[in-house]
Amino acid sequence: LAKTTQPISMDSYEGQEVNITCSHNNIATNDYITWYQQFPSQGPRFIIQGYKTKVTNEVASLFIPADRKSSTLSLPRVSLSDTAVYYCLVGSMDSSYKLIFGSGTRLLVRP
Amino acid sequence: GAVVSQHPSWVICKSGTSVKIECRSLDFQATTMFWYRQFPKQSLMLMATSNEGSKATYEQGVEKDKFLINHASLTLSTLTVTSAHPEDSSFYICSAIPGQEYEQYFGPGTRLTVT
Repeated sequence: LAKTTQPISMDSYEGQEVNITCSHNNIATNDYITWYQQFPSQGPRFIIQGYKTKVTNEVASLFIPADRKSSTLSLPRVSLSDTAVYYCLVGSMDSSYKLIFGSGTRLLVRP
Repeated sequence: GAVVSQHPSWVICKSGTSVKIECRSLDFQATTMFWYRQFPKQSLMLMATSNEGSKATYEQGVEKDKFLINHASLTLSTLTVTSAHPEDSSFYICSAIPGQEYEQYFGPGTRLTVT
């Protein structure tokens, strides 16, 4: 499974757009990219998943360039409740679907 | 969306005793479930992959005789921490995958404290 690298922490203010970039240089052809959000003492919550190009849902957008060696999670107009840890993961369609969590990005949204 | 539950949500036990944690997929069948452990301020660490009807596959460094996993049905997997010690105190999280999807649905976690 491809290793992921993302910033340890980010700060933002309410109402701003936040972009968190994740590097996964060794991503394989059959790998997909998933982002999760985790609040303290809770299980991770699925945010968005994609394979290539751009994916958008009601909470976020995921941008994946053509080479797929990185991906960017975009959170529009963050609020205080978006303060959490965000994990970028690469999963394989060919294997047992297991996910290896990296260090994640600790996002702090200030008033 | 798919819901995964864990029971108990927290447990305190004495050193040397065993503790069982249940993970249930409430509205879908899961042939595969995963168990993770998370220490404070750290990321999730995958412990094992649990497949219904077969033996669990443990990650390197995880003692299979200490962390017993049973996946007896398509909606239930259990993790038993045997002869627990204070260093086993952690947040244990399970996840499950519906048959035809890649998304993992996570449970709320179980806080284990060994005294």
